[in-house]
Amino acid sequence: SFELTQPPSVSVSPGQTARITCSGDALPKQYATWYQQKPGQAPVVVIYKDNERPSGIPERFSGSSSGTTVTLTISGVQAEDEADYYCQSADSSVTYYVFGTGTKVTVL
Amino acid sequence: EVQLVQSGAEVKKPGESLKISCKASGYSFTNYWIGWVRQMSGKGLEWMAIIYPGDSNTKYNPSFQGQVTISADKSISTAYLQWSSLKASDTAMYYCAKVISNYVYFDYWGQGTLVTVSS
Repeated sequence: SFELTQPPSVSVSPGQTARITCSGDALPKQYATWYQQKPGQAPVVVIYKDNERPSGIPERFSGSSSGTTVTLTISGVQAEDEADYYCQSADSSVTYYVFGTGTKVTVL
Repeated sequence: EVQLVQSGAEVKKPGESLKISCKASGYSFTNYWIGWVRQMSGKGLEWMAIIYPGDSNTKYNPSFQGQVTISADKSISTAYLQWSSLKASDTAMYYCAKVISNYVYFDYWGQGTLVTVSS
């Protein structure tokens, strides 16, 4: 098994940029996905394949990857972006999926 | 339109059995893995297991292996998660989700099934 580590919380003012990191040894070998989860709702994909954005997701959401760390960037944060964010990946042989520890984004 | 519709909330006693369901529509059920994710109250997401309905191949998180059973009935495009003997620690929200295996992620999610186990 392996782990994905995220900061517990990130606070950002409206209009500013939020960056959430996710670290794990397996990340160079497998794609990462980012999910947004609002209270009482199921998770929603905001980034997949490290940096691809699904249709309907605002352009202010972007993803990047460098070595054992992937980063979700929310540019021009809006109040509606306040949520929990989880990274997710799998081991190189795709026998084991894992979610990151989760980051609560607070819009001040 | 892809939809995953899960069965309703359950309240059970410790030691009881339970099977929750996830009915899929809008895509070819037998051609995609589908799985279950646990979320305990106030906690993060945990991958439990996935199944390929085409041949019933399964993969389990070692933490859940032996504790739950994933299955699927391709004739009615429905995936299941079952327990033979529930514990209070199984109290959680359970989500089913469709897998995009090429990019190893869950693209569509059900609405969740809340399972409460209490004496």
